[in-house]
Amino acid sequence: QSALTQPPSASGSPGQSVTISCTGSSSDIGNYNYVSWYQQHPGKAPKLMIYDVNKRPSGVPDRFSGSKSGNTASLTVSGLQAEDEADYYCASYAGNNIRIFGGGTKLTVL
Amino acid sequence: QVQLVESGGGVVQPGGSLRLSCEASGFTFSDSFMHWARQAPGKGLEWVAFISKEGRDAYYADSVRGRFTFSRDNSRNTVYLEMNSLRTEDTAVYYCGKDFAWFCDYWGQGTLVTVSS
Repeated sequence: QSALTQPPSASGSPGQSVTISCTGSSSDIGNYNYVSWYQQHPGKAPKLMIYDVNKRPSGVPDRFSGSKSGNTASLTVSGLQAEDEADYYCASYAGNNIRIFGGGTKLTVL
Repeated sequence: QVQLVESGGGVVQPGGSLRLSCEASGFTFSDSFMHWARQAPGKGLEWVAFISKEGRDAYYADSVRGRFTFSRDNSRNTVYLEMNSLRTEDTAVYYCGKDFAWFCDYWGQGTLVTVSS
């Protein structure tokens, strides 16, 4: 049950696009299309932004998109806005009713 | 609207026990799987456990298996996390979550557990 690997930080200027990667293995991301992404502002609960690799819950702007290739999933935030500055976590089903999170990426809007 | 309210956190000595509760509203609780996750101070999220709709089956992260017990009472719309043999590394904010698409769509605001002598 090793955590998924995310870069510790990412940044972009307002209006730009940024992509955050999440690398797992053939036991989790590579074997299931059950990848979720969460946004967390300081002191707040996580908020679901993407599920099933690339689906957006109602109310999440279409500036947020997800994808997957092999053992790596990605979250892209287009048209960066100041309120997008937060921590982002990927998560995946890992079989046998186990779930795992990534280590988290701090997104800074310059 | 979905609401999840955790309670029961506090300060406990190493080796001690604590029981967390999470009361749910705004959805059909008995039709929902549920989860616990935690976040140590300044650290990332860690999935802790998952429970089936009826409460018959529960699954745990390696770090807590054998020490934590996840249960639920569908008549009270509440899940519980019984934590025994607590260690300093269990210090964290504990969140309960409503299952959706193999993980969670809603999380509560969390309750802080501090394990310290």
